[in-house]
Amino acid sequence: DGGITQSPKYLFRKEGQNVTLSCEQNLNHDAMYWYRQDPGQGLRLIYYSQIVNDFQKGDIAEGYSVSREKKESFPLTVTSAQKNPTAFYLCASSTTGGSDSSPLHFGNGTRLTVT
Amino acid sequence: AQSVTQLDSQVPVFEEAPVELRCNYSSSVSVYLFWYVQYPNQGLQLLLKYLSGSTLVKGINGFEAEFNKSQTSFHLRKPSVHISDTAEYFCAVRATGGGNKLTFGTGTQLKVEL
Repeated sequence: DGGITQSPKYLFRKEGQNVTLSCEQNLNHDAMYWYRQDPGQGLRLIYYSQIVNDFQKGDIAEGYSVSREKKESFPLTVTSAQKNPTAFYLCASSTTGGSDSSPLHFGNGTRLTVT
Repeated sequence: AQSVTQLDSQVPVFEEAPVELRCNYSSSVSVYLFWYVQYPNQGLQLLLKYLSGSTLVKGINGFEAEFNKSQTSFHLRKPSVHISDTAEYFCAVRATGGGNKLTFGTGTQLKVEL
């Protein structure tokens, strides 16, 4: 079955360390996204990519970095510059990167805890 | 830019009772509207979407939503809820004609009780 795989499900890091969250999709989708979810704040867009080797900042990109070297993969690095990294991170994809009505398909998320 | 307001952070309801989860949006252009459901520690699943045409949209699990342009609302309804409907529900909006951004509301936690 096609879908989006995020790994690991739970991740623990010490403050000051960079950490990379994995996101892989086999839906053949062009566009991929990273959202951060905090209680009571809904989902906020970190980065998105419409096509391989291209990506744009979302609303809260500071302290994060991404790459899109393959269509299937869109890893997110949470750097030590991110002041409040503990959160639930969701990866999503959609059929096109353009302006259409295609909904997002989500992975099951990675819960990152930084102490 | 678009914004979404979900005024109710929590909605408790008894099983088999009807429920309405409210969503209002703000946008200077036409929009597509979506409702997603999230079960604990999982990603979001699409419940339904409004693209154009009929203002009453039916989705999965017996949910429906009505688009009201004059009131800029897209409320989600179900005539009879089940315990398994307990989850968090998110309303989202995307501008038509340009842009990838899907803007989410802050979510409404639906708790169905026996």
